[in-house]
Amino acid sequence: AQSVTQLDSHVSVSEGTPVLLRCNYSSSYSPSLFWYVQHPNKGLQLLLKYTSAATLVKGINGFEAEFKKSETSFHLTKPSAHMSDAAEYFCVVSRLSSGGGADGLTFGKGTHLIIQP
Amino acid sequence: DTAVSQTPKYLVTQMGNDKSIKCEQNLGHDTMYWYKQDSKKFLKIMFSYNNKELIINETVPNRFSPKSPDKAHLNLHINSLELGDSAVYFCASSQEFEAFFGQGTRLTVV
Repeated sequence: AQSVTQLDSHVSVSEGTPVLLRCNYSSSYSPSLFWYVQHPNKGLQLLLKYTSAATLVKGINGFEAEFKKSETSFHLTKPSAHMSDAAEYFCVVSRLSSGGGADGLTFGKGTHLIIQP
Repeated sequence: DTAVSQTPKYLVTQMGNDKSIKCEQNLGHDTMYWYKQDSKKFLKIMFSYNNKELIINETVPNRFSPKSPDKAHLNLHINSLELGDSAVYFCASSQEFEAFFGQGTRLTVV
């Protein structure tokens, strides 16, 4: 079984300040972890992914995340927020099925990121 | 060149009707999915198809039925629509761990 907990439903930061979106996971096997972003009325876009390689993962638009097995965490960070970062962010855990495809992605409940001017 | 495309983007229909949402992927992936996003933005998997075989079937009403005519398509049929079916439905495909999503279909049942 696998689960994901996003610790904050809303995060508000000022433009130009750092962003931290927190995610903890639970998994009975070595997980693959992702962050997806959803802008208003848009689809889901992959920000970054961890699949058992480097624990510090760099993604698009200046985001990065660090996999910490001891803390079962995969927090998303960005040094300096931009207005265009305002969106819903989802932390996701996945595993391979016997058929080779992802055995369903388990989504966190999302964190709504608000950027103050 | 859209990787995962679904149609229609918006669908407004009356209770009791039957409707379909189509999904196509041009990535050559073996696995396709349907996800439902509720009004609180929570995403939950509904179905998964791998090589045309259903491998995940979450506890969704049997009014919902996925149909895959070939590896590149996974359509979603919904019978006897109810108000509670109003949501955004996302199609996705994957080869290994990563999933690629369509733009979503916003279904509104009135």
